[in-house]
Amino acid sequence: SQQGEEDPQALSIQEGENATMNCSYKTSINNLQWYRQNSGRGLVHLILIRSNEREKHSGRLRVTLDTSKKSSSLLITASRAADTASYFCATDARDDKIIFGKGTRLHILP
Amino acid sequence: NAGVTQTPKFQVLKTGQSMTLQCAQDMNHNSMYWYRQDPGMGLRLIYYSASEGTTDKGEVPNGYNVSRLNKREFSLRLESAAPSQTSVYFCASSELGATGGGYTFGSGTRLTVV
Repeated sequence: SQQGEEDPQALSIQEGENATMNCSYKTSINNLQWYRQNSGRGLVHLILIRSNEREKHSGRLRVTLDTSKKSSSLLITASRAADTASYFCATDARDDKIIFGKGTRLHILP
Repeated sequence: NAGVTQTPKFQVLKTGQSMTLQCAQDMNHNSMYWYRQDPGMGLRLIYYSASEGTTDKGEVPNGYNVSRLNKREFSLRLESAAPSQTSVYFCASSELGATGGGYTFGSGTRLTVV
């Protein structure tokens, strides 16, 4: 059962540009998380935003949450080659689990 | 600072063979999870353990069994491997579960069943 769904599925931008990816979900949540996965590696936790928060920052990352629209966005500013990766949103579900979306593949062009 | 350690990193099995994927964490986390990742499918939860001594089914448990051996270790067993179980398997752990500050993932086991 897919809870979060990222958009777009794939994104290519020039180095130095900002990258924005979105996540929509279906049912109410307590929190939403974003993860990064480099090719052939495990997922790395980036940021968690709770349902009573609207925006959160961590370095070059900015996450927003709109619970009325059941959506979140992840903005990466001043992109670098090292940002090339897949990005996943994850929402909490019943029974102490989180459910991942299918991810956005981000490719930073030199 | 090992985090979550998975073994083996790669494995090829013949249909019908059995194997156990090992996972250990050194962060004293209560919750541990097994996911599989297939192209275009994202991560799907196989089994999880909210605390030592408990295990529960996730989204795709069929064909798998788990053991929470102690607080550190959570193993995943394939009793009779099938080609449909060809996937990348990730173990993860969390201090506070879904309400907490995020999961820590291992580097994965790439399993091919022929």
